[in-house]
Amino acid sequence: DSGVTQTPKHLITATGQRVTLRCSPRSGDLSVYWYQQSLDQGLQFLIQYYNGEERAKGNILERFSAQQFPDLHSELNLSSLELGDSALYFCASSVQAGPGEQYFGPGTRLTVT
Amino acid sequence: GNSVTQMEGPVTLSEEAFLTINCTYTATGYPSLFWYVQYPGEGLQLLLKATKADDKGSNKGFEATYRKETTSFHLEKGSVQVSDSAVYFCALGGGSNYKLTFGKGTLLTVNP
Repeated sequence: DSGVTQTPKHLITATGQRVTLRCSPRSGDLSVYWYQQSLDQGLQFLIQYYNGEERAKGNILERFSAQQFPDLHSELNLSSLELGDSALYFCASSVQAGPGEQYFGPGTRLTVT
Repeated sequence: GNSVTQMEGPVTLSEEAFLTINCTYTATGYPSLFWYVQYPGEGLQLLLKATKADDKGSNKGFEATYRKETTSFHLEKGSVQVSDSAVYFCALGGGSNYKLTFGKGTLLTVNP
């Protein structure tokens, strides 16, 4: 158990819908990272927050957004969903803002039908 | 930009065989290097890390040495077990945006 929690574990929704994925980092970790894992793209970095502020952006679509709240939990919002958005979404946390080990949650499996 | 290339899988071994999974990287500066493992149905777990040249990371019988001259960080284990069956990811951390850059992953299956 990494100490990072993600909810929900599974999510099935229809195209065009909007969903919110939630992540609680390990106690004491200030950085939260979001990743998308799919068979064709592999593991892709989406976005990083550090202590409430956006720190880095990766291959995140404009239809996707995220935020980190004062209690340090984070939410990833996915809207106007398409079939191709079906993937595993992982949250990871680390204590620092800079490069270092990250601790991953169990993931949310999103299926868009 | 940063990139990681790891050997294509899948890799299938018998129990107690020797394992090598190759990983090479491209990066500016002095990145940290990691191996993560993903067991079926689970998230990624940090297996080992090295933060500077010639460092050796080790954990659970796995080892990898940070070789700057060959830009490599190959994962090795002397005697694999069935329970080592998983997907292994090589990753690089560094650069101005602090993200981890992952290789595509190598599926390892160990048969009894």
